[in-house]
Amino acid sequence: ILNVEQSPQSLHVQEGDSTNFTCSFPSSNFYALHWYRWETAKSPEALFVMTLNGDEKKKGRISATLNTKEGYSYLYIKGSQPEDSATYLCALILTGGGNKLTFGTGTQLKVEL
Amino acid sequence: KAGVTQTPRYLIKTRGQQVTLSCSPISGHRSVSWYQQTPGQGLQFLFEYFSETQRNKGNFPGRFSGRQFSNSRSEMNVSTLELGDSALYLCASSPGQPYNEQFFGPGTRLTVL
Repeated sequence: ILNVEQSPQSLHVQEGDSTNFTCSFPSSNFYALHWYRWETAKSPEALFVMTLNGDEKKKGRISATLNTKEGYSYLYIKGSQPEDSATYLCALILTGGGNKLTFGTGTQLKVEL
Repeated sequence: KAGVTQTPRYLIKTRGQQVTLSCSPISGHRSVSWYQQTPGQGLQFLFEYFSETQRNKGNFPGRFSGRQFSNSRSEMNVSTLELGDSALYLCASSPGQPYNEQFFGPGTRLTVL
């Protein structure tokens, strides 16, 4: 069984705070790591696809890093806003796994005014 | 560019019945994956179709099946429904490579009574 773990499970922050989450995964047979944001009543939205060790990606106030050797990725949100409230999911693709995403259980972020 | 569409959006069935769900991917995308989301299990991979062929399969019983048509539209069928099949079923479309973003549809909410 492939375990993709995310921590923390949930997080409450104040508007303007910066925050980060962790995604841990087995490092063997790694191919790609996807990050998604899933807002209530909407579809999961792709944030990043990361494939190379040391990858850093950024989209606005959100950025992510990847360490494939030790099997983890961090997602950072700078200056959190209420509209950032969502569940953040990471998902692993293994070599030879086609497009099969194995999801973590997610980090639920609530940004309060 | 039109997004991923799924029909129907909501469905209520009784135990023992069968159901067919439909997914229309983004134009030009050849890969369609299906996922089941339940509160206890999170997002679980069902199967992936690429160019009308099943490329990957998750750990679900044979009651769950799918197919893909030449226009890349995909259907998922669940026979002999059980109460535990109540879930949100999401499909995701992509051009087909693991490093491509996957775009999710709005989902079909299935309730089995």
